[in-house]
Amino acid sequence: DQQVKQNSPSLSVQEGRISILNCDYTNSMFDYFLWYKKYPAEGPTFLISISSIKDKNEDGRFTVFLNKSAKHLSLHIVPSQPGDSAVYFCAASAEVTNFNKFYFGSGTKLNVKP
Amino acid sequence: DARVTQTPRHKVTEMGQEVTMRCQPILGHNTVFWYRQTMMQGLELLAYFRNRAPLDDSGMPKDRFSAEMPDATLATLKIQPSEPRDSAVYFCASGPGSSGNTIYFGEGSWLTVV
Repeated sequence: DQQVKQNSPSLSVQEGRISILNCDYTNSMFDYFLWYKKYPAEGPTFLISISSIKDKNEDGRFTVFLNKSAKHLSLHIVPSQPGDSAVYFCAASAEVTNFNKFYFGSGTKLNVKP
Repeated sequence: DARVTQTPRHKVTEMGQEVTMRCQPILGHNTVFWYRQTMMQGLELLAYFRNRAPLDDSGMPKDRFSAEMPDATLATLKIQPSEPRDSAVYFCASGPGSSGNTIYFGEGSWLTVV
């Protein structure tokens, strides 16, 4: 049973517009969340993180929002660029009990059209 | 430039053969993970080591898969005997073993069992 779910397998966005990628989790013990980006034939690379003590974290064009009551997080990319086209994975861990042990979603493939 | 190194990058093998994948974690990292990427499940956690001790291998098919860390610089994932359904990309990742940190992935081992 997947504890982290990304229900949209793919997303297509026009260059310059906002991309919103969503992620849901079921384990209320999760307190640390990551987003990774993956290009074909490469390993996932870290993008941005958020701790459960925050509800928002921003890094340049990337912002992650966390809604703990809904067990939901989202990644916003503004403005989207063609180079952002990749598969995005969200990941969650219960740092208090098992730090670094991350559960991943199934990924969302983002296509940013020029 | 510290990185996780995986070998082989690509492997084609016949059903029934033994396959061994190797991983060199980032120097100083004491948590090591094996993940498998599939279309349906995304990134599945197969095994998790901390300070070379296996903490969780519940995601691994026990009858044919085994994971070990002979020393701090080498982690192995072995499949014996291999089956066509094992065809996937296998990723190794390592982390610094402290709370609030990310984990870093290798480029993956692409396995095809025919």
